[in-house]
Amino acid sequence: EDQVTQSPEALRLQEGESSSLNCSYTVSGLRGLFWYRQDPGKGPEFLFTLYSAGEEKEKERLKATLTKKESFLHITAPKPEDSATYLCAVQSAGGGADGLTFGKGTHLIIQP
Amino acid sequence: DGGITQSPKYLFRKEGQNVTLSCEQNLNHDAMYWYRQDPGQGLRLIYYSQIVNDFQKGDIAEGYSVSREKKESFPLTVTSAQKNPTAFYLCASSMARGGQPQHFGDGTRLSIL
Repeated sequence: EDQVTQSPEALRLQEGESSSLNCSYTVSGLRGLFWYRQDPGKGPEFLFTLYSAGEEKEKERLKATLTKKESFLHITAPKPEDSATYLCAVQSAGGGADGLTFGKGTHLIIQP
Repeated sequence: DGGITQSPKYLFRKEGQNVTLSCEQNLNHDAMYWYRQDPGQGLRLIYYSQIVNDFQKGDIAEGYSVSREKKESFPLTVTSAQKNPTAFYLCASSMARGGQPQHFGDGTRLSIL
């Protein structure tokens, strides 16, 4: 059974204070690891897909990295508008477009 | 703009009543999904469909039903057999190949009267 654990559950940072969110996963063959951002009352917004260990993706102040056991979402010099819940999900190597297994998310607050 | 439209945004169910949540996409995606989100929990998969007229149960399918008569539409019915239906329901779609990102609608919040 696929499992995803995110830490910390919540993180409060000052504006400009860089940090990292962790996503540890157990999966029987990784087809893809996905990062999403979710604002209150909204659906998750897709950020990145990572497929193999060593891969990195960047978008503005966010950078996602992947190892064989975990992924990190690095946030550099965050701004208040980066406040959201960040979700990590995995898809295991099965047949076709199966569902994702999600972690519980990290609730990030950036204080001005 | 291409996207996923869920309606209604808020829905109230009476005891013993079935309710249907709508999900429409114009992304030309073959695969569609329904997830349930509860406070403090990750999204959990209810049903998914990789092609018209075919769908599979997810991890928590009991008390729910779906249909996939058109590529663009994947409605979810919450039946009276679902004893704890209060939750935020999210619909998603993707290309029908493994490893493709799923794109989500803005959800329907279902509550019990």
